Amino acid sequence: QKEVEQNSGPLSVPEGAIASLNCTYSDRGSQSFFWYRQYSGKSPELIMSIYSNGDKEDGRFTAQLNKASQYVSLLIRDSQPSDSATYLCAVISDMRFGAGTRLTVKP
Amino acid sequence: DAGVIQSPRHEVTEMGQEVTLRCKLISGHNSLFWYRQTMMRGLELLIYFNNNVPIDDSGMPEDRFSAKMPNASFSTLKIQPSEPRDSAVYFCASRRRGMNYGYTFGSGTRLTVV
Repeated sequence: QKEVEQNSGPLSVPEGAIASLNCTYSDRGSQSFFWYRQYSGKSPELIMSIYSNGDKEDGRFTAQLNKASQYVSLLIRDSQPSDSATYLCAVISDMRFGAGTRLTVKP
Repeated sequence: DAGVIQSPRHEVTEMGQEVTLRCKLISGHNSLFWYRQTMMRGLELLIYFNNNVPIDDSGMPEDRFSAKMPNASFSTLKIQPSEPRDSAVYFCASRRRGMNYGYTFGSGTRLTVV
């Protein structure tokens, strides 16, 4: 059974801090990884994608991928209360999502 | 682009009744996925289609669940008979073929079986 694991959280950070969200996957052949944000009562929305080892930055968001360690992470800099949501890691080849990490940013 | 459209948004039904959830894909997307989300189990893949053909239905919990894709833009998920444990949010998602494309989700159907 292919697995996508996320740190269970919940994670609470103060406004302006860096939030770090982590995900590991079991399928070594996986090529494409996505981070989704899901607000309570809403559907998941795509915020970041990453395919190559290293970092990918988009505004306050940075996705990091290490295929050797089968590890992908999402960093949110200068966290805002509006970032409070559940963040889901997805591995496209598996079509599976992690259980999600609930992030709360406290003003 | 209208996005992935699901209906109904909410459904409350009595145990034993048939439930049909509907999904319209984004134009140009050729893969469709049905997911179920609960607090206990998170987001579970039920079934997916490529070019209208069911590829993997191993996530369908039991024979009470069935899904069809009669054309390139529309799919249904049917539960017959429904049970209280089927209560969940059901999402439909679509994407273009190719590893670099992510999923676009519909707004979901919140199903409550009483």
